[in-house]
Amino acid sequence: DGGITQSPKYLFRKEGQNVTLSCEQNLNHDAMYWYRQDPGQGLRLIYYSQIVNDFQKGDIAEGYSVSREKKESFPLTVTSAQKNPTAFYLCASSRVGAGNTGELFFGEGSRLTVL
Amino acid sequence: GENVEQHPSTLSVQEGDSAVIKCTYSDSASNYFPWYKQELGKGPQLIIDIRSNVGEKKDQRIAVTLNKTAKHFSLHITETQPEDSAVYFCAASKWYSGVSSASKIIFGSGTRLSIRP
Repeated sequence: DGGITQSPKYLFRKEGQNVTLSCEQNLNHDAMYWYRQDPGQGLRLIYYSQIVNDFQKGDIAEGYSVSREKKESFPLTVTSAQKNPTAFYLCASSRVGAGNTGELFFGEGSRLTVL
Repeated sequence: GENVEQHPSTLSVQEGDSAVIKCTYSDSASNYFPWYKQELGKGPQLIIDIRSNVGEKKDQRIAVTLNKTAKHFSLHITETQPEDSAVYFCAASKWYSGVSSASKIIFGSGTRLSIRP
């Protein structure tokens, strides 16, 4: 089945530690995204990438970093510089070009809790 | 920048009744309005969308209406069922064929819909 796989589903971290969230897709989509979800605030864009080896900051990129070395993979690192990292993180992908309908395809999310 | 406001934040309806969720957007250039449904512990999934060249779109029990003049759009769910219980997000964006404009999607804050048996 085609889709987006995020891991881990739950993650606990101590303050001061970096943590990396994995996102893999087998939909052959060019574009990938990371969103943060907090209660009552909808989805906010952290980073996005429309092509391998290129990515752009979203609305709340501070304290986060990404890489896009392969089309299928877009890992997100939550660094110790992120002041309020406890949240639900969602990875998504979409087509680019003629096949792009505007739809985002989401993974099932990773819940990060900082202790 | 674009802003999307969504109301209500929570909604409880009796099974079989209708549910309506409303959104307003600020950027008159927005032309694509998707609705996503997020079930507990899952990622959001597109359930219906509408583009600015139409005023209404229907898919079985769900429908979306768009008023471009007022910059309002709404989701209507008829004959609600327990499986409709979820969080619903509206969104707005400027979409152009051939370009990935998903990065410009702005989401509303979500509505938690509960269906009472």
